[in-house]
Amino acid sequence: NAGVTQTPKFRVLKTGQSMTLLCAQDMNHEYMYWYRQDPGMGLRLIHYSVGEGTTAKGEVPDGYNVSRLKKQNFLLGLESAAPSQTSVYFCASSSNFPNTEAFFGQGTRLTVV
Amino acid sequence: AQSVAQPEDQVNVAEGNPLTVKCTYSVSGNPYLFWYVQYPNRGLQFLLKYITGDNLVKGSYGFEAEFNKSQTSFHLKKPSALVSDSALYFCAVRDDSTDKLIFGTGTRLQVFP
Repeated sequence: NAGVTQTPKFRVLKTGQSMTLLCAQDMNHEYMYWYRQDPGMGLRLIHYSVGEGTTAKGEVPDGYNVSRLKKQNFLLGLESAAPSQTSVYFCASSSNFPNTEAFFGQGTRLTVV
Repeated sequence: AQSVAQPEDQVNVAEGNPLTVKCTYSVSGNPYLFWYVQYPNRGLQFLLKYITGDNLVKGSYGFEAEFNKSQTSFHLKKPSALVSDSALYFCAVRDDSTDKLIFGTGTRLQVFP
């Protein structure tokens, strides 16, 4: 029972490089979220999706893009990485009922040098 | 605007003593409240959630939370702390008018033997 799987788990990028983080869930959830976790800042919502083909901005969307072409996948892209994007990124999914909990992946630790 | 506040960066408690981790929230619609725990280098794990009508909610590992509508609070409690409870705790709120799941900044719980 995989739940939410994030790929890769670790990555080091040079400033200006691009990359895509992949989140896959096998629970048939409608909602998917991308967060970043930084010391003292908690989890901040980057982008989210309420269904296949939809995306919406969260609290800190600048410098990131997302796509939800398939219901089970939610991709987070960095077109031109900056040191300020060094963080731990978490993906989560949930059903569309507001009183249901979200399930989280194990995180991706990204360092931009 | 939807928000969650965790006023304490760290809570220290002796093993066997009761613990409280505080959370207050602000939403425009009906609040759906959650507590999560994060152990080092792991993703977030669901602990408990508020269900309409039950002001005292029981969850995993002996934790419970008290919902107070007039104070817009959802404090996490445990009658007798264990050293193994030491972790980072996050409060989260979903606003049924926006679909966003917003987290607080987290509170580090340290339980001393």
